Amino acid sequence: DTAVSQTPKYLVTQMGNDKSIKCEQNLGHDTMYWYKQDSKKFLKIMFSYNNKELIINETVPNRFSPKSPDKAHLNLHINSLELGDSAVYFCASRPTAHSYNEQFFGPGTRLTVL
Amino acid sequence: GENVEQHPSTLSVQEGDSAVIKCTYSDSASNYFPWYKQELGKRPQLIIDIRSNVGEKKDQRIAVTLNKTAKHFSLHITETQPEDSAVYFCAAYKNSGGSNYKLTFGKGTLLTVNP
Repeated sequence: DTAVSQTPKYLVTQMGNDKSIKCEQNLGHDTMYWYKQDSKKFLKIMFSYNNKELIINETVPNRFSPKSPDKAHLNLHINSLELGDSAVYFCASRPTAHSYNEQFFGPGTRLTVL
Repeated sequence: GENVEQHPSTLSVQEGDSAVIKCTYSDSASNYFPWYKQELGKRPQLIIDIRSNVGEKKDQRIAVTLNKTAKHFSLHITETQPEDSAVYFCAAYKNSGGSNYKLTFGKGTLLTVNP
């Protein structure tokens, strides 16, 4: 059983398009995250939701908009895609925001903007 | 906010040798320090973690040490094997101070184990 899943795995699109990435976790966790990993492998946090409530919003262009319809799902919508958005985007979850428990990552979505 | 520095950025060892990766953190309130391993094309996965009330933790060939006074922690891998080749990330987290609960990651170390 996949604990944290993401779709799609690969996404190739043209500059200026709008695209969405979906994430689901079946672990019963309260807290979910979106990370961006660029070509230098740095894991940069973008957003975090706790029980559908936004709790972390790092310095991210407002072209990126997360949405959490319920605590098992956290989607990421990106408007007007730019070349610099090309990266691997990882979803992650942990039991609660304020716990020492393991944080589980999804398999990643490789976004390529042409 | 928290800042985590990780060194070295790349590390190449011969199979059977030991590997050590070091991290420093800036926020003395940080109290949980996990290490993640990311193989090529895969997701990061937790390999070991340590809380601030412990100075050392071991799990077979890997160990983590923590020096709270100096605000640094290290990952030690003994008897390295080719399958240990991956990018390793350290991270710091604090369980206090409001709602900004997040792991702050180091920039990663690419470990290559040569057969």
